[in-house]
Amino acid sequence: EAQVTQNPRYLITVTGKKLTVTCSQNMNHEYMSWYRQDPGLGLRQIYYSMNVEVTDKGDVPEGYKVSRKEKRNFPLILESPSPNQTSLYFCASGDRGHVEQFFGPGTRLTVL
Amino acid sequence: QKEVEQNSGPLSVPEGAIASLNCTYSDRGSQSFFWYRQYSGKSPELIMFIYSNGDKEDGRFTAQLNKASQYVSLLIRDSQPSDSATYLCAGYTSGTYKYIFGTGTRLKVLA
Repeated sequence: EAQVTQNPRYLITVTGKKLTVTCSQNMNHEYMSWYRQDPGLGLRQIYYSMNVEVTDKGDVPEGYKVSRKEKRNFPLILESPSPNQTSLYFCASGDRGHVEQFFGPGTRLTVL
Repeated sequence: QKEVEQNSGPLSVPEGAIASLNCTYSDRGSQSFFWYRQYSGKSPELIMFIYSNGDKEDGRFTAQLNKASQYVSLLIRDSQPSDSATYLCAGYTSGTYKYIFGTGTRLKVLA
């Protein structure tokens, strides 16, 4: 089944404790992206990747890191999480940037 | 700051009616536009995309794009209670590989 998977789905952590949210797709997509979704602010792009080893900042990259060492994986790293990073995070992938993106199920992160 | 704007709603329509959802965008460099549906607690799923001026129809859905007015719309004919969800409009700029999403319009279809 074609899908984007994210882990964990739910995470409660404390300020400053490094964490990684994994994202994997099995559709051989070149484009992958991370978003955060907050009430009243909609989906905002954090980072995106056009291909392996090629990444760039979206609109809200501060406090996040990504890497794209393999085509299928695109982990999101929070080196020192803060409460303002409490949010719902979505990973997405697409064949090329101008057609549809397939979204993962989301990761709900709470930083205390 | 480049933006995509949508009325947050809720937009309430009776079952069987036409729901009209609208979105405006500020980046004239945006080439492709997407409508996603998102049920509460779920991930967005694509309904339609459009990149040429005019109308594009798919079943009960029609997307309309007017690049001169920087306006995108989605019409849902014969609305069903199962269409009740938040509809997200997004623009994509191929020069930057970036997507910009609107905040979404909540649609309620009343049985």
